Amino acid sequence: DVKVTQSSRYLVKRTGEKVFLECVQDMDHENMFWYRQDPGLGLRLIYFSYDVKMKEKGDIPEGYSVSREKKERFSLILESASTNQTSMYLCASSLGGGPIDSYEQYFGPGTRLTVT
Amino acid sequence: DAKTTQPNSMESNEEEPVHLPCNHSTISGTDYIHWYRQLPSQGPEYVIHGLTSNVNNRMASLAIAEDRKSSTLILHRATLRDAAVYYCILRRTGNQFYFGTGTSLTVIP
Repeated sequence: DVKVTQSSRYLVKRTGEKVFLECVQDMDHENMFWYRQDPGLGLRLIYFSYDVKMKEKGDIPEGYSVSREKKERFSLILESASTNQTSMYLCASSLGGGPIDSYEQYFGPGTRLTVT
Repeated sequence: DAKTTQPNSMESNEEEPVHLPCNHSTISGTDYIHWYRQLPSQGPEYVIHGLTSNVNNRMASLAIAEDRKSSTLILHRATLRDAAVYYCILRRTGNQFYFGTGTSLTVIP
């Protein structure tokens, strides 16, 4: 079974703090994704990566950065957390090597981040 | 942009079939149609995907219109565990996916 794990289920941070959200997958997937989910807005893609050290912006990259130093790990970084970044953050992974949408994405359980 | 339109909510009686519709009139020829569902307090899980032909797997069936501008996810016998938000998804531009807000399915015992 594919497993995508996220470092925390719940996280509370203060405004201005630097926040790291970690995601690890164990199936040697090339593609990894970070989404945020907000009521009424569905899931929105923040960043994704199709290879180590490679990244692409999604719909809402502002205020976020990412790091992928190893194939299995994809980190989302909030450089200076703000209250409007309070959200559910979901990580996903999928196979690569072909059209990106020809593969299913496997999601982690999510991290509910609250910024106060 | 490849965007999808789904009803906000649907209800079904337990053990009856459920047909969840999705419109995607701006689909391009190479876009796969994906369906995911999200149970309460969990991340989305993959249900099924297809390109042109109808697809079946152990969870559901996917019926794709001949012009590919709409599709229907079919749950053959709804159970209480099928209560979830169902997302119909296309690749948008490049490598981006558009998830939208999905259809919230309520299963009535």
